[in-house]
Amino acid sequence: QVQLQESGPGLVKPSETLSLTCTVSGGSISSYYWSWIRQPPGKGLEWIGYIYYSGITKYNPSLKSRVTISVDTSKKQFSLKLSSVTAADTAVYYCTRCSPGSSDYWGQGTLVTVSS
Amino acid sequence: EIVLTQSPGTLSLSPGEGATLSCRASQSVTSNYLAWYKLKPGQAPRLLIYGASNRATGIPDRFSGSGSGTDFTLTISRLEPEDFAVYYCQQYGSSPFTFGPGTKVDIK
Repeated sequence: QVQLQESGPGLVKPSETLSLTCTVSGGSISSYYWSWIRQPPGKGLEWIGYIYYSGITKYNPSLKSRVTISVDTSKKQFSLKLSSVTAADTAVYYCTRCSPGSSDYWGQGTLVTVSS
Repeated sequence: EIVLTQSPGTLSLSPGEGATLSCRASQSVTSNYLAWYKLKPGQAPRLLIYGASNRATGIPDRFSGSGSGTDFTLTISRLEPEDFAVYYCQQYGSSPFTFGPGTKVDIK
């Protein structure tokens, strides 16, 4: 059974960079796309972007200038960096496996709060 | 960007009743790449339907998806207690992938 687990700081200061890692277990990281999706408190879901295991990426244009998604296949991890954060970036962040575009496995999600 | 609209916003029903949720796209969804997800507080979101009408692994057959082009429907034939949740549709046919605002199914 594939499992995904997000990890990273739960509190980030405004203007700093949010960094999260997703660790994949119970399955291969190869031959799949891996994505990040977020949900601000009380709001809906927003797709942030995805990465193929080979390193090919695609980002949401609304966040593209601030987002970097990377993958480390040897560690079975992929990561999200979001720069210059503001309070509007406060959200539950989910990592998912895409098969190929719909997300068939999700992490439990991690709340990241942007506050000084 | 494809904008998805879901209706109704909230559906109040009793266990055992059927539910019909609608998702409408602002333009045709490529290859009917439309998915439905269930979100419950404290749980990881779960994929229910992909490709508009294909049940994901382990999803009971009381869930069914239909539709094509711009109009899609998720039908739950008989609501079980665990089905009371928020349901989101997502199109993944063109980037950026987008979600609808959700339909909350709550207990009447």
